[in-house]
Amino acid sequence: GENVEQHPSTLSVQEGDSAVIKCTYSDSASNYFPWYKQELGKRPQLIIDIRSNVGEKKDQRIAVTLNKTAKHFSLHITETQPEDSAVYFCAASSNTGNQFYFGTGTSLTVIP
Amino acid sequence: NAGVTQTPKFQVLKTGQSMTLQCAQDMNHEYMSWYRQDPGMGLRLIHYSVGAGITDQGEVPNGYNVSRSTTEDFPLRLLSAAPSQTSVYFCASSPPGTGLKDTQYFGPGTRLTVL
Repeated sequence: GENVEQHPSTLSVQEGDSAVIKCTYSDSASNYFPWYKQELGKRPQLIIDIRSNVGEKKDQRIAVTLNKTAKHFSLHITETQPEDSAVYFCAASSNTGNQFYFGTGTSLTVIP
Repeated sequence: NAGVTQTPKFQVLKTGQSMTLQCAQDMNHEYMSWYRQDPGMGLRLIHYSVGAGITDQGEVPNGYNVSRSTTEDFPLRLLSAAPSQTSVYFCASSPPGTGLKDTQYFGPGTRLTVL
């Protein structure tokens, strides 16, 4: 099956700086890559996603890039704010689109 | 719409007991799934269903059963609870339609402790 690796496991940035989280995947047939934000004690919530036919997608301060050749994708958060502090998970879908494989999460702390 | 609901929110079991975690959605979503979340391991797929009457195994199915008799409900059964099943369980669903199938909406979770 798919193997998704996520780095770093923890990340601290100053408010206003940028944060970058990287994931790699193993199955070249994977074609959908969502990112989830999970606040303490809450459910994961989708913040942005990208499909394999697109190289980059942006939504306000959040962007995701995908390199299919290298099989890695990254989450970029610009102008970070304290409310961005949370655990972020990347995921990749199986080639059938019915199974999702998650990374182990990145705990982001934005220091005011 | 209530979205995806899960009951109970918390549960403590003794080793060997059985129980059912409930999951329901009122959005007419075809795809439903169950994950467990353990510290440092992200979310792992237990079972999923692409529609009423159809279920399949995910990454970590052992010790769990599911059924999908209606579109709305997708219960997860622990047959004989073990301490290794202590975890937070999330149910998720996705709407039908090309391009939307992948967008998963998660329930609030059930925190299960097995003693």
